[in-house]
Amino acid sequence: DTGVSQNPRHKITKRGQNVTFRCDPISEHNRLYWYRQTLGQGPEFLTYFQNEAQLEKSRLLSDRFSAERPKGSFSTLEIQRTEQGDSAMYLCASSQQIAGTDTQYFGPGTRLTVL
Amino acid sequence: QQPVQSPQAVILREGEDAVINCSSSKALYSVHWYRQKHGEAPVFLMILLKGGEQKGHDKISASFNEKKQQSSLYLTASQLSYSGTYFCGIWLVGSQGNLIFGKGTKLSVKP
Repeated sequence: DTGVSQNPRHKITKRGQNVTFRCDPISEHNRLYWYRQTLGQGPEFLTYFQNEAQLEKSRLLSDRFSAERPKGSFSTLEIQRTEQGDSAMYLCASSQQIAGTDTQYFGPGTRLTVL
Repeated sequence: QQPVQSPQAVILREGEDAVINCSSSKALYSVHWYRQKHGEAPVFLMILLKGGEQKGHDKISASFNEKKQQSSLYLTASQLSYSGTYFCGIWLVGSQGNLIFGKGTKLSVKP
């Protein structure tokens, strides 16, 4: 059973640099979510895709953030001109809607540190 | 819109019981419970749909009170492996499916 995978697991970058993260969902799942989690807080929704369509973006997602899911498979999250406030764990989750429920399974996350 | 979880933290001895609550100010479609251990991803425990159902998973069960817009997670005869932070994620009525998570309840089980 292959779960959600994310790469890289850790990323250290300097302020102002661009970074890109990748998420590979569970193969039969049509929905893919990105969340951000900081210390002592729950995951915070950023955006989600149904197949290749990006259906919702959080108002917290600034213009520096962009996400794609070409062909409805893996997804990438890019942060441009990183700021120290972007330091967090970025979590990806995938799901498949069955009978009105949507169980989201999380990947291990990518921990971003902006110096 | 963020659900309120209580208590913020709880310390138990092995074998003791605990209840974690999750309350919403808006109408809920479903409540999702996760456990997260330090440095790891949240692990799905169970989902409850509106309708007041109760679910169980080994010695962990949960209920959903639609009138009060709240859910409770019950951990009975706690084991050391139950330690971690428990999050409830809520899916609001009319939402497209993104979960809104509470701040979590840190559970520590001591031998």
